[in-house]
Amino acid sequence: DAGVIQSPRHEVTEMGQEVTLRCKPISGHNSLFWYRQTMMRGLELLIYFNNNVPIDDSGMPEDRFSAKMPNASFSTLKIQPSEPRDSAVYFCASRLGQDGQPQHFGDGTRLSIL
Amino acid sequence: GDSVTQMEGPVTLSEEAFLTINCTYTATGYPSLFWYVQYPGEGLQLLLKATKADDKGSNKGFEATYRKETTSFHLEKGSVQVSDSAVYFCALGDDKIIFGKGTRLHILP
Repeated sequence: DAGVIQSPRHEVTEMGQEVTLRCKPISGHNSLFWYRQTMMRGLELLIYFNNNVPIDDSGMPEDRFSAKMPNASFSTLKIQPSEPRDSAVYFCASRLGQDGQPQHFGDGTRLSIL
Repeated sequence: GDSVTQMEGPVTLSEEAFLTINCTYTATGYPSLFWYVQYPGEGLQLLLKATKADDKGSNKGFEATYRKETTSFHLEKGSVQVSDSAVYFCALGDDKIIFGKGTRLHILP
């Protein structure tokens, strides 16, 4: 089975531009998570969805960040406008069910905002 | 709220040495506990898990036991290899998962 697929793998753009990160979860998984990883702050949960519905977005840094999950096989994380401090590796993960089931991570998108 | 504390790295060992990476947690109830591993340029991968007290998770020679009395889930391996060099994350949770800050492990040949 294919794992979690993220695109692009790398993104370099100038500050002020809109950035869209994409994620395709593992087929049949019903929970999806977006994380941000930096050296300073480690791994931070931004938002997660159960059955395509956002459950907890308390980790979203500010209004410049938004996430959608229009169907069970696709999610986007958008940053508009982007700032240099948004530079990080962004991971998407999916999970089947709850109650202690593990999350499966994609390989991440390395984002650099100049 | 729930939290995970793991030993800061980096940890540097010689090949075939014994490994322990400490992890303690604070939680309401008895959540599942996990160890994930991250290799360079990749996402996190589940290494092992335990879902209740006294459970032992094991995989690829790594082990960790869910200790309720000491609120710990220490990762151990009897003989490490160069290929074990990676960042290791302790985590807890049944819905939203809370990760520790990670411990970087270097194994020297």
